[in-house]
Amino acid sequence: QSALTQPRSVSGSPGQSVTISCTGTSSDVGGYNYVSWYQHHPGKAPKLMIYDVNKRPSGVPDRFSGSKSGNAASLTISGLQADDEADYFCSSYAGTYPYWVFGGGTKLTVL
Amino acid sequence: EVQLLESGGGLVQPGGSLRLSCAASGFTFRNYAMTWVRQAPGKGLEWVSSIDGTGIVTFYADSVKGRFTISSDSSKNTVFLLMNSLRAEDTAVYYCAKQSTVTKLHDYWGQGTLVTVSS
Repeated sequence: QSALTQPRSVSGSPGQSVTISCTGTSSDVGGYNYVSWYQHHPGKAPKLMIYDVNKRPSGVPDRFSGSKSGNAASLTISGLQADDEADYFCSSYAGTYPYWVFGGGTKLTVL
Repeated sequence: EVQLLESGGGLVQPGGSLRLSCAASGFTFRNYAMTWVRQAPGKGLEWVSSIDGTGIVTFYADSVKGRFTISSDSSKNTVFLLMNSLRAEDTAVYYCAKQSTVTKLHDYWGQGTLVTVSS
């Protein structure tokens, strides 16, 4: 059981948009604007796509966006491309122990 | 370019020990806190331990406290995780991650190293 709840899978066709949710509590997602999203191709290093809820690191396309409402955060990928197919997981700072919590990951399939 | 390269994983019997290493490059190592995170088969990620840039302040998950020790060597730009009294439930891919100074989150991760605890 992961601390943050994500759907196990989502899918979309090229060009479409998909949204992945990440639900926590007032002690993590709801309590801090420190939510991040990572793209993870199995066997490779996870890549930071969104940090601080809605900020993009340099080099990440603006097709990736993040938001938060209450205890839930979301990652939206617009204009889906084949190489967006990967696992995506969220993370939130929790302030006190256990300091950082993670979602179980969502497998994105581009149809 | 920031790179984190984990090593040291493998198959170990219950009760045994392993030392994981994470070699860092592309940034000033002593300025950043580092973290170990693990993912057991079929499960989500779990924070394991963190160490500050000085190598003095450390934090552990309750599940590993007293068994695992995190340390760092700034002369080698490497963070270590010494794992003793290993249990089957410690089986996981172990990732090291660099904590950002811009935010309280982790901006770079390694590709992970697999630890299997089995007889």
